[in-house]
Amino acid sequence: LQLAESGPGLVKPSETLSLICTVSGGSVSTSNMYWAWIRQPPGKGLEWIGSIYHSGSTYYKSSLQRRVTISVDKSKNQFSLRLKSVTAADTAVYYCARERHQLRLTHSGVDVWGLGATVTVSS
Amino acid sequence: SYELTQPPSVSVSPGQTATITCSGDKLGDKFVSWYQQKPGQSPILVLYEHNKRPSGIPDRFTASTSGNTATLTITGTQTLDEADYYCQAWDYIIDVVFGGGTKLAVL
Repeated sequence: LQLAESGPGLVKPSETLSLICTVSGGSVSTSNMYWAWIRQPPGKGLEWIGSIYHSGSTYYKSSLQRRVTISVDKSKNQFSLRLKSVTAADTAVYYCARERHQLRLTHSGVDVWGLGATVTVSS
Repeated sequence: SYELTQPPSVSVSPGQTATITCSGDKLGDKFVSWYQQKPGQSPILVLYEHNKRPSGIPDRFTASTSGNTATLTITGTQTLDEADYYCQAWDYIIDVVFGGGTKLAVL
């Protein structure tokens, strides 16, 4: 299974950041697999943004919830991230990734990661 | 919001045992994973569900969780283990939370 992020590398302040993750070698519709976005600002740690199940159920970090939308396109085997009203603080490497759950009762880690997409917020 | 605390850095001599801690409220009640990240690379899952290793991860990587603390232990540390290590916790309330990361120096 491989994940590949794509999207603009530069976004202006107050605009919307949009990224797509293409899944190859597997299906976004696989049971118990959740599809996540995680970011890492330069020189800093990892921050979970949110995740989605193929049913469309979404889970977001509470502090980002009002700005974030994650969606899935099963026909294209892709999922996407939209983050609106961005500021310089949203500058980061954005990773798409796979989380493994069992009926949302267990969590077996984030076991597949994309290479990451660098997004800079600047005018 | 839920927080996980890790020491910023840990040093170990080659061949010795490295220990990295991660603390959080009632961490033992949550599902804990550990990740290794080398400069310029994506993170790699090294342990999940407290002490399970994905295929391909050497058995010198082990972990335990008790109470409010999770501990990653690398036995017989090698220079190639030099990296940043992140703990991560999950339950259905907090969802996914990462620790701040620990830079492991092997020298």
